Amino acid sequence: EVQLLESGGGLVQPGGSLRLSCAASGFTFSNYVMNWVRQAPGKGLEWVSTVGGGRDTYYADSVKGRFTISRDNSKGTLYLQMNRLRAEDTAVYYCAKDVVGLLAPDCWGQGTLVTVSS
Amino acid sequence: DIVMTQTPLSSPVTLGQPASISCRSSQSLVHSDGNTYLSWLQQRPGQPPRLLIYKISNRFSGVPDRFSGSGAGTDFTLRISRVEAEDVGVYYCMQTTETSRSFGQGTKLEIK
Repeated sequence: EVQLLESGGGLVQPGGSLRLSCAASGFTFSNYVMNWVRQAPGKGLEWVSTVGGGRDTYYADSVKGRFTISRDNSKGTLYLQMNRLRAEDTAVYYCAKDVVGLLAPDCWGQGTLVTVSS
Repeated sequence: DIVMTQTPLSSPVTLGQPASISCRSSQSLVHSDGNTYLSWLQQRPGQPPRLLIYKISNRFSGVPDRFSGSGAGTDFTLRISRVEAEDVGVYYCMQTTETSRSFGQGTKLEIK
């Protein structure tokens, strides 16, 4: 069974840092494009970042220069390093895998909540 | 960046009746490879999103055939032929044609 399990969320002060992890199982992790998507409380979905199998990376303008996506294929784990956090980064952060070749996210984790507040 | 605009933002529907959601992109979603990477996702209350439709009109595995997608270029539609109680939630269109991906604002489907 394909599973994605996020961890690392929590309460952090503005300007602080946090690293999210997403442990993948049930599929050959290295073959898949992986994503981070966030959802602020009561709001819609916002794409954050994508990493390809070739480790090419892409970011939303709102996080560019502050967040870094990476993957460890040997561990089957996706990461999101978040620096210089702001109140508006408060959200549930989901990791999601794409269907191979279809550029569509077919499997999502349950999400981890990040709260940025003093 | 491509902006995705959904209408309506809220859709009260009677059980058994059809529902339709529109999604418009600020520029064509036709990729250089000839495909159009427009997906529809459903998010039930308290759940992560679920992929319904990919590449405009292809139903993902396990999605009931009452869901269908159509459109081309910049205008797309998700239709539910007969709404069931389990369809309550928020529906999002998403473009992945550009490497900078984007979602529509979401359309809340509720039962009258």
